[in-house]
Amino acid sequence: NAGVTQTPKFQVLKTGQSMTLQCAQDMNHNSMYWYRQDPGMGLRLIYYSASEGTTDKGEVPNGYNVSRLNKREFSLRLESAAPSQTSVYFCASSERLGDTQYFGPGTRLTVL
Amino acid sequence: GENVEQHPSTLSVQEGDSAVIKCTYSDSASNYFPWYKQELGKGPQLIIDIRSNVGEKKDQRIAVTLNKTAKHFSLHITETQPEDSAVYFCAASTSSGTYKYIFGTGTRLKVLA
Repeated sequence: NAGVTQTPKFQVLKTGQSMTLQCAQDMNHNSMYWYRQDPGMGLRLIYYSASEGTTDKGEVPNGYNVSRLNKREFSLRLESAAPSQTSVYFCASSERLGDTQYFGPGTRLTVL
Repeated sequence: GENVEQHPSTLSVQEGDSAVIKCTYSDSASNYFPWYKQELGKGPQLIIDIRSNVGEKKDQRIAVTLNKTAKHFSLHITETQPEDSAVYFCAASTSSGTYKYIFGTGTRLKVLA
């Protein structure tokens, strides 16, 4: 089992560019999550998907969109990147909403 | 809004000593309290968790205590080892009503050999 995988590991964008961060899990979990981690602020929930076919906003959804492509995959899209979106992004999954979350290795994104 | 306060932000202990990290939460509906360890360049990994119907849980050198009345919970690491050095995060989760999973701001633990 690979657990939760994320691609890419690193990315540099210019302001205004778009990109999609990919996440996949092989644990047959129902729920998936996207977080961002900034120094001194811990992890903040961007969006989550309680089950296949549903998505909901978290604490900091502005500037992002998500797609729950199927049970395994949950992608995060930045339509027009801004320097304030420079961060480390983590994807996580859990068997059900509220259960223990398992995190991927993260994507370090820099927006110039 | 709801928040989780975590203290201290940094903690240095001698190898073999104990370390205690404390968190306070504001949402009385929170019912699940996990603790994560994050090593440099990696994602957070769950080390122990506790649910609201339990006051204490132990797993070898690690224990978590929960005081629902005071809305705080603590992580205790005994006989610390250099490999315990990492950043530790607490979180408080509410799965009834509007879902919330709020992390504390982290504690950088250094175990000095």
